[in-house]
Amino acid sequence: KAGVTQTPRYLIKTRGQQVTLSCSPISGHRSVSWYQQTPGQGLQFLFEYFSETQRNKGNFPGRFSGRQFSNSRSEMNVSTLELGDSALYLCASATQDTVSSYEQYFGPGTRLTVT
Amino acid sequence: GQSLEQPSEVTAVEGAIVQINCTYQTSGFYGLSWYQQHDGGAPTFLSYNALDGLEETGRFSSFLSRSDSYGYLLLQELQMKDSASYFCAVLNSGNTPLVFGKGTRLSVIA
Repeated sequence: KAGVTQTPRYLIKTRGQQVTLSCSPISGHRSVSWYQQTPGQGLQFLFEYFSETQRNKGNFPGRFSGRQFSNSRSEMNVSTLELGDSALYLCASATQDTVSSYEQYFGPGTRLTVT
Repeated sequence: GQSLEQPSEVTAVEGAIVQINCTYQTSGFYGLSWYQQHDGGAPTFLSYNALDGLEETGRFSSFLSRSDSYGYLLLQELQMKDSASYFCAVLNSGNTPLVFGKGTRLSVIA
């Protein structure tokens, strides 16, 4: 079974621009979560989608948004990019919603650099 | 709020045993997970404890004490390939269902 895939793997953007990242979960997984990882801060939860509905949202500004499609693929969007948005963005999928599933399967991440 | 504390760095000798501790503060606690992440890689799931006690999976074991809000990951017979970052993560009923610690960087030396 194929793992979680994320595209693109690397991205360089300029302050003020917007960016869209994509995630394809493991086949059959209905939950997709997004995390931001920066050095020294660990993994910070952005939001989770389950069956096309946002189930949970972390403490990030409204510039961060996402959606999930009927095939469980998910996208996240960051508008008006800031230098501090430079990070590794990880997508994780699970069979059930996050509260029911402690085992998350992570993709390789998208490394976003904002200049 | 929710918080997890784990050491930022640990160094151990190949073949030895190392314990990585994790203390947490959260409401609506369900359980404690552990993840491993090699440099440049994705986090991978290691173990999960919902009940007090020790869970063993090969060279890795994980322990939980709900009354002490404390858990640890025990790695035995350390190998060089175990050099990685290890994250504890609390599963809870809040808006952020899976909260990760900042990670412990384990360096295994010869």
